[in-house]
Amino acid sequence: EPEVTQTPSHQVTQMGQEVILRCVPISNHLYFYWYRQILGQKVEFLVSFYNNEISEKSEIFDDQFSVERPDGSNFTLKIRSTKLEDSAMYFCASSVFGGNTEAFFGQGTRLTVV
Amino acid sequence: GENVEQHPSTLSVQEGDSAVIKCTYSDSASNYFPWYKQELGKRPQLIIDIRSNVGEKKDQRIAVTLNKTAKHFSLHITETQPEDSAVYFCAASKDRSASKIIFGSGTRLSIRP
Repeated sequence: EPEVTQTPSHQVTQMGQEVILRCVPISNHLYFYWYRQILGQKVEFLVSFYNNEISEKSEIFDDQFSVERPDGSNFTLKIRSTKLEDSAMYFCASSVFGGNTEAFFGQGTRLTVV
Repeated sequence: GENVEQHPSTLSVQEGDSAVIKCTYSDSASNYFPWYKQELGKRPQLIIDIRSNVGEKKDQRIAVTLNKTAKHFSLHITETQPEDSAVYFCAASKDRSASKIIFGSGTRLSIRP
């Protein structure tokens, strides 16, 4: 069964450093998303991406964040200068169509900022 | 803004009994309501979903109901089993391109043997 894959599974970084989280969505999906989940809390929307541009972003997704689809398969989330409060599990998701259809989640990247 | 409220935050039921989790949503334009199960350290996995053109949907031991007027929706798990222990999230989304999913705060369900 096709699935969304994310790398790395765990990333430890020093405060102020840049990190790039990588995702390979399911191949025939057109809509891509990043969510985050701080330990013990709910899953929060960060950004949606379609047709090579951001469709929507949340208040969390400030100027320190960016997304890119550098080639036909990868979808990346970059955090330019990490803060302690960026520590969370980051989930990538994809769907064939947009709203009203199932989003498939990757297994997540646990980001720890020290 | 858009919000999904979920209750209870924790729920403990005897194995074999039923569990009910309730959610409300604020945005009347929401029309897709997925439910996710998340085991510890794992990804959220869709277990059932309902669209606003139906009031109820069932899949084996799991059922969801939707009251559009009241903006309420609920998850019902019957004949609970130990493997049902997990965190359950309700969510809401709109029918438009790249629509985000708004998650509830989660319910930690524990099944007592």
